[in-house]
Amino acid sequence: EVQLVESGGGLVKPGGSLRLSCAASGFTFSNAWMTWVRQAPGKGPEWVGRIKSEAYGGTTDYAAPVKGRFTISRDDSKNTLFLQMNSLKSEDTAVYYCTTDDPRYFPNWGQGTLVTVSS
Amino acid sequence: QSVLTQPPSASGTPGQRVTISCSGSSSNIGSNHVHWYQHLPGTAPKLLIYEINERPSGVPDRFSGSKSGTSASLAISGLRSDDEADYYCAAWDNSLSGPLYVFGTGTKVTVL
Repeated sequence: EVQLVESGGGLVKPGGSLRLSCAASGFTFSNAWMTWVRQAPGKGPEWVGRIKSEAYGGTTDYAAPVKGRFTISRDDSKNTLFLQMNSLKSEDTAVYYCTTDDPRYFPNWGQGTLVTVSS
Repeated sequence: QSVLTQPPSASGTPGQRVTISCSGSSSNIGSNHVHWYQHLPGTAPKLLIYEINERPSGVPDRFSGSKSGTSASLAISGLRSDDEADYYCAAWDNSLSGPLYVFGTGTKVTVL
């Protein structure tokens, strides 16, 4: 069974940084493309970005609102996905989900971790 | 920011058929497959329909999708109380600035 468990969320001040983790199990993580999706309170989900598997170069793509501030990385030896978030803004407040990436759609999601950016 | 438009709510009695619409543009729904996700708040979102009308293993055939031009629809037949959830459409968008996956504004389904 595929399991994705996010952690690392919390309260951070504007301009601060936070690193989210996503522990994966139940599938061959090193072969998987992975994606981060966030959902702000009362809003629809928003795609944050993705990282391809090393077989596809391990390259990353980002949505415009986070490009240059967020970095997605992975540690295949630990089956873990990361999201480094810098220069955080209030509009980054959201529940952050990691998902497997088909790469046409997102079959499996974690429960999410809440990030609150507020002074 | 959601670029696909859905009605905020839909409702029906048990056993009824409910349809949710999703309106996009030529750069997303008009040229790419549509996917649907079901989300009960506090739980992990779930892929419901992919590539317009394909269902992952375990999703009952009461759920079906369709697409016409720049719009798509999700139909739930034989409505059940455990279908109460938020439903989101989604599609890849042919953005000039690179890959972009867009979601709908969401529809809350209530079983009366």
